[in-house]
Amino acid sequence: DAGVIQSPRHEVTEMGQEVTLRCKPISGHDYLFWYRQTMMRGLELLIYFNNNVPIDDSGMPEDRFSAKMPNASFSTLKIQPSEPRDSAVYFCASSFVLGDSPLHFGNGTRLTVT
Amino acid sequence: AQSVTQLDSHVSVSEGTPVLLRCNYSSSYSPSLFWYVQHPNKGLQLLLKYTSAATLVKGINGFEAEFKKSETSFHLTKPSAHMSDAAEYFCVVSDPPGGYQKVTFGTGTKLQVIP
Repeated sequence: DAGVIQSPRHEVTEMGQEVTLRCKPISGHDYLFWYRQTMMRGLELLIYFNNNVPIDDSGMPEDRFSAKMPNASFSTLKIQPSEPRDSAVYFCASSFVLGDSPLHFGNGTRLTVT
Repeated sequence: AQSVTQLDSHVSVSEGTPVLLRCNYSSSYSPSLFWYVQHPNKGLQLLLKYTSAATLVKGINGFEAEFKKSETSFHLTKPSAHMSDAAEYFCVVSDPPGGYQKVTFGTGTKLQVIP
């Protein structure tokens, strides 16, 4: 298996622009997670899905952030409009069954908003 | 409530000496516990996991961890540090299957290995 695939690896954009991050989970995994990592705040869970349904979005910072999972093999995290404080590394992870199964992480998208 | 505490934000060891990264957890259930490693500019990679089988768990790259229920600890150890072990390590607790699922990450421990 190719693992969790995220694109793009790097994104540089100007404040106010829309940003879309993409994730392809491992085939057969029922759970998909979006995390954000910064030096100041560490690793933060933004949202997670089970069978394409959002279960917990309490970590989504504000209405500028939205996430979708239209099918079992694709998810997006959108920021509109973007702000400099959104600069971070965004990770997608997937898991077969929570509890016993580990999370498998992608290599992340490094977002820089100028 | 579920929580995990990594007692040291930074640990520095000399190459060839033992490594100890400490983790304490709390959970209302019998949780699963994991250690992940993150090398610079990389995603997190699973080192090892505990899921109520043997209390001493062996992972990749010579790491192991011991689950101690009485102490609510899951410390990560390695007998001899290698330069390639320099990375950030995360302890993770996860509730067992069934019901609302929750996965909690610790704040991480940065391991520095001195030549």
